Amino acid sequence: EIVMTQSPATLSVSPGERATLSCRASQSVSSNLAWYQQKPGQAPRLLISGASTRATGIPDRFSGSGSGTEFTLTISSLQSEDFAVYYCQQYNTWRTFGQGTKVEIK
Amino acid sequence: QLQLQESGPGLVKPSETLSLTCTVSGGSISSSGYYWGWIRQPPGKGLEWIGVIYYSGSTYYSPSIKSRAAISLDTSKNQFSLKLTSVTAADTAVYYCARGVNNDAFDIWGQGTMVTVSS
Repeated sequence: EIVMTQSPATLSVSPGERATLSCRASQSVSSNLAWYQQKPGQAPRLLISGASTRATGIPDRFSGSGSGTEFTLTISSLQSEDFAVYYCQQYNTWRTFGQGTKVEIK
Repeated sequence: QLQLQESGPGLVKPSETLSLTCTVSGGSISSSGYYWGWIRQPPGKGLEWIGVIYYSGSTYYSPSIKSRAAISLDTSKNQFSLKLTSVTAADTAVYYCARGVNNDAFDIWGQGTMVTVSS
C-alpha cells in the first residue's frame, strides 16, 4: 500500500501571504496526485488533479507541482476562505490519502 | 449537475453490518468512464479510502478493509451501496460517497452521513 505523508501538520499563515504544502509518496505515483480542501462540517472539494491541473472553478492562486514521489500545493496569496484542511491523495495504485495539513490564521 | 446523497442508519450495533446507499441524481450511474467510491472520516481525523466500483461492476478495496467491505451498483435505482460487516467502534465515522471519471480523482462528493457504532 502506498503511504502518503504530508507536511507540516499545521501551517500558520497571515492573510495575503503564500502557503506551501508538501506531500510525499512512499513510491512513485507518477502524476496521479490530487489535492482536496475540506472546511469544518463540509465534504472535501477537489482542487487539483493530475498533480497540477486545477479543477473547474478553482481560483488560479492555487497551484500544484511535482511528480513521482514529491508534490507541492501552493496558495499564492491566502484569502480568508482558504483557511481549511488540505489533503493529498494518490490514485496511481488504488487510492490513499495523506493525513492532512491544517492551514490556520497566524 | 450531478449530485450524490448518502443515506442509511445513523446507529449500528457492534458486530452487525453497516449498510449505506448513495443516490445519484443528474446523471447515469452506468455512464462509461465513471467510477464510484466510498471514503470515511472518523471524528476529528483524516480521510480513509474504503473502495471503488467501476461502471463495469469491477470493485477494488482498501487492503485494511477488504475482507469486510462490499460495494455494489443498482442501475435500476441509479444508486450504489456499501456494506461493511462485523463493525466495531473503530468504524464510527462520517461516510462519504464520491464520483471519479476515467480513473482520475474524486471530483464530486456527497455531503456525508455520520454512522456511530454503539450498543
